[in-house]
Amino acid sequence: AQKVTQAQTEISVVEKEDVTLDCVYETRDTTYYLFWYKQPPSGELVFLIRRNSFDEQNEISGRYSWNFQKSTSSFNFTITASQVVDSAVYFCALLTGRRALTFGSGTRLQVQP
Amino acid sequence: DADVTQTPRNRITKTGKRIMLECSQTKGHDRMYWYRQDPGLGLRLIYYSFDVKDINKGEISDGYSVSRQAQAKFSLSLESAIPNQTALYFCATSAGGGISYEQYFGPGTRLTVT
Repeated sequence: AQKVTQAQTEISVVEKEDVTLDCVYETRDTTYYLFWYKQPPSGELVFLIRRNSFDEQNEISGRYSWNFQKSTSSFNFTITASQVVDSAVYFCALLTGRRALTFGSGTRLQVQP
Repeated sequence: DADVTQTPRNRITKTGKRIMLECSQTKGHDRMYWYRQDPGLGLRLIYYSFDVKDINKGEISDGYSVSRQAQAKFSLSLESAIPNQTALYFCATSAGGGISYEQYFGPGTRLTVT
């Protein structure tokens, strides 16, 4: 069975602080993909990143970075120098085999000015 | 125009009523999905379809049915709505041929069952 755990229900930071959102996944498949989505207050889901199970290189995109570690089954997301516009709910998701996405329960990030 | 559209965007209905949520896509994707989002639970899969003749139940299909009328259209029906089906519903699409493809989400339908 597939499972994604986002243990942090809600995080509050002050603008310009760095923040890391944790994601732990479970799967017996050797080939899988991990995703992060952002859901701003307006409600839509915005794709942020996709990472496959064979590529453990960390990725950086502007203020966003992702740390994928197969040894700990984690795919953590860091926002550097957070901004108010980063306030949203962030979802980690897992895709394996001939299935659909399995989502974590989400982490609500509030960035205070 | 949006690639994945959902109608209606908001709906209030009464217990016992039949309601249909519609999803259309212009991305030419084979695969379509319906999810529901409840506070604190993330998104959970209701049904998915890998082509017009391939429809599969997700983890919470009870109380729901679907119809894949064409490659571009995937409808979700609540035959007899109940209050605990109040949620935000998302349709999504992805390209076929592999498991790696990103899912593109519609804007969501907020359904309230009173």
